[in-house]
Amino acid sequence: DTGVSQDPRHKITKRGQNVTFRCDPISEHNRLYWYRQTLGQGPEFLTYFQNEAQLEKSRLLSDRFSAERPKGSFSTLEIQRTEQGDSAMYLCASSSREVSYEQYFGPGTRLTVT
Amino acid sequence: AQSVAQPEDQVNVAEGNPLTVKCTYSVSGNPYLFWYVQYPNRGLQFLLKYITGDNLVKGSYGFEAEFNKSQTSFHLKKPSALVSDSALYFCAVRGDTGGFKTIFGAGTRLFVKA
Repeated sequence: DTGVSQDPRHKITKRGQNVTFRCDPISEHNRLYWYRQTLGQGPEFLTYFQNEAQLEKSRLLSDRFSAERPKGSFSTLEIQRTEQGDSAMYLCASSSREVSYEQYFGPGTRLTVT
Repeated sequence: AQSVAQPEDQVNVAEGNPLTVKCTYSVSGNPYLFWYVQYPNRGLQFLLKYITGDNLVKGSYGFEAEFNKSQTSFHLKKPSALVSDSALYFCAVRGDTGGFKTIFGAGTRLFVKA
């Protein structure tokens, strides 16, 4: 069990560019979450998958944001036409069917939009 | 609407003294309550949870938390603080009325002085 991994760890992009982040959950965890964390704040819920189905989506997730989990394993989060306000740490977490309350977090992807 | 309040940005305590990090919440239905810890340059780690049952729950690293339904609180405690406990602590809540959206507080930074 290697834990939740995220790639890349850091991303610097220019305003208006598209970016995509990847999350690999703990194997056999069927639940996957995306959060956004800005400095001095706790994680803000973005979206939740159970297997490949996206079951919840925050109003924070504007039309420029999309997430997928095509085979119920890894997930991607894409931000189109990035804005400076998108600069944040993007966190992924997963949980298992048996112990679904405990979320295991990855190290995050830090996005800087210049 | 669900919300979590951590009224203290920072808590300072001397090593060996007891510590308390406060958390109050608002949620529809019965609460599922969590504490997570974030060490520098590391991802969030699960500490403990309250789902049902005894109001006093025990977790990792000697931490415990007390659920108080009438005061809608879930304060984190430890009888004897260690310097290594210095970190950022987040309280989180989810309601039991369906959905997996977890709301996090803004965090409390704990400093334990030797």
